[in-house]
Amino acid sequence: DPKIIQKPKYLVAVTGSEKILICEQYLGHNAMYWYRQSAKKPLEFMFSYSYQKLMDNQTASSRFQPQSSKKNHLDLQITALKPDDSATYFCASSQTTETLYFGSGTRLTVL
Amino acid sequence: QQKVQQSPESLIVPEGGMASLNCTFSDRNSQYFWWYRQHSGEGPKALMSIFSNGDKKEGRFTAHLNKASLYVSLHIKDSQPSDSALYFCAVLYQGGRALIFGTGTTVSVSP
Repeated sequence: DPKIIQKPKYLVAVTGSEKILICEQYLGHNAMYWYRQSAKKPLEFMFSYSYQKLMDNQTASSRFQPQSSKKNHLDLQITALKPDDSATYFCASSQTTETLYFGSGTRLTVL
Repeated sequence: QQKVQQSPESLIVPEGGMASLNCTFSDRNSQYFWWYRQHSGEGPKALMSIFSNGDKKEGRFTAHLNKASLYVSLHIKDSQPSDSALYFCAVLYQGGRALIFGTGTTVSVSP
């Protein structure tokens, strides 16, 4: 059974719309992350959370907002979508700063 | 900002052969390193970590670290078709809150 669940697996959106990417982890980890993967930048670190608190934000745009409603949840809200936002978004988790475990990703296409 | 570069960009290895992947990083304070592997359509999975200078062997995989030379490598012995994947080296971000991934090397093992 997958220990990190990302929903949906595929997502198509129109330019200017808003979407939420869902991530839940069942590994009991206290740290969660978002990464983005596109052809231009293979695996780009976006955010890190520890005990539901934002630790690092490497995303220049405020259109990307992580949301942590529960300890094992870290969703990603993206507003005013642009075609350049098209990528696969990976959620990951770890116990402190040890090995990261990744979900299978949400592939976002913005038309 | 930490820069992590990998070479070669892609590699074709005959089945049973040796694959050698290279990674250089820019921050001399970097202490902790990982190699990840990503098969098509999946999230990255950790292969192994290396924290001390020298070699570390896990099965067919050997990692080598030289912190003074800002260099880490991965060697895959007796390559199998299942080793065909995208390989990333990853360095713990300063402050220890996330991993910064390299540019990636695509390995193709030809039967």
